Amino acid sequence: DVKVTQSSRYLVKRTGEKVFLECVQDMDHENMFWYRQDPGLGLRLIYFSYDVKMKEKGDIPEGYSVSREKKERFSLILESASTNQTSMYLCASSLNPGLVDNEQFFGPGTRLTVL
Amino acid sequence: AQSVAQPEDQVNVAEGNPLTVKCTYSVSGNPYLFWYVQYPNRGLQFLLKYITGDNLVKGSYGFEAEFNKSQTSFHLKKPSALVSDSALYFCAVRDRRGRRALTFGSGTRLQVQP
Repeated sequence: DVKVTQSSRYLVKRTGEKVFLECVQDMDHENMFWYRQDPGLGLRLIYFSYDVKMKEKGDIPEGYSVSREKKERFSLILESASTNQTSMYLCASSLNPGLVDNEQFFGPGTRLTVL
Repeated sequence: AQSVAQPEDQVNVAEGNPLTVKCTYSVSGNPYLFWYVQYPNRGLQFLLKYITGDNLVKGSYGFEAEFNKSQTSFHLKKPSALVSDSALYFCAVRDRRGRRALTFGSGTRLQVQP
């Protein structure tokens, strides 16, 4: 079974802190994604990566950056955390689509609270 | 641009009755369409997808969805609801000619009453 793990289930940080959220997948997937989930807004894509050292902005990249130095690991960085970044953060991975789209496998999520 | 709409925040249905969770989409080309489910305190799980071919797609746990190109819809259905189906359901779309990432809807909470 594909396993996507996230470094923390719950995280509390203070405004202005630099925050790192880590995601690791064990199935050699090319694609990795970071979303945030907020009530009534669903999942919104922050960044995604389809290869090592490659990244593309999603729908809400402002205030975030990402790093993918190894295929299995995709990090989300909040350069200076703000209260409006309090949210549930979900990581996902999938095989490279090629000609057929493949489903995404999600981690358990990190609930981040910024005080 | 690609977008998806789930017009109902919540759907209530009695156990044993059929259920429908609605989804409409907008893409400039042809779509890939997905349904995901999030059970309480668990991560999102894939349910089913439409890529091409038969408009009626069958997925996990007895769910199915019908792709309707003229109505740009991809409604999720199940003939007989179970209390254990109570969860948050997300529809997602990707334009085949667009970016390599999905756009998700806002989610519909399904409540099945015993």
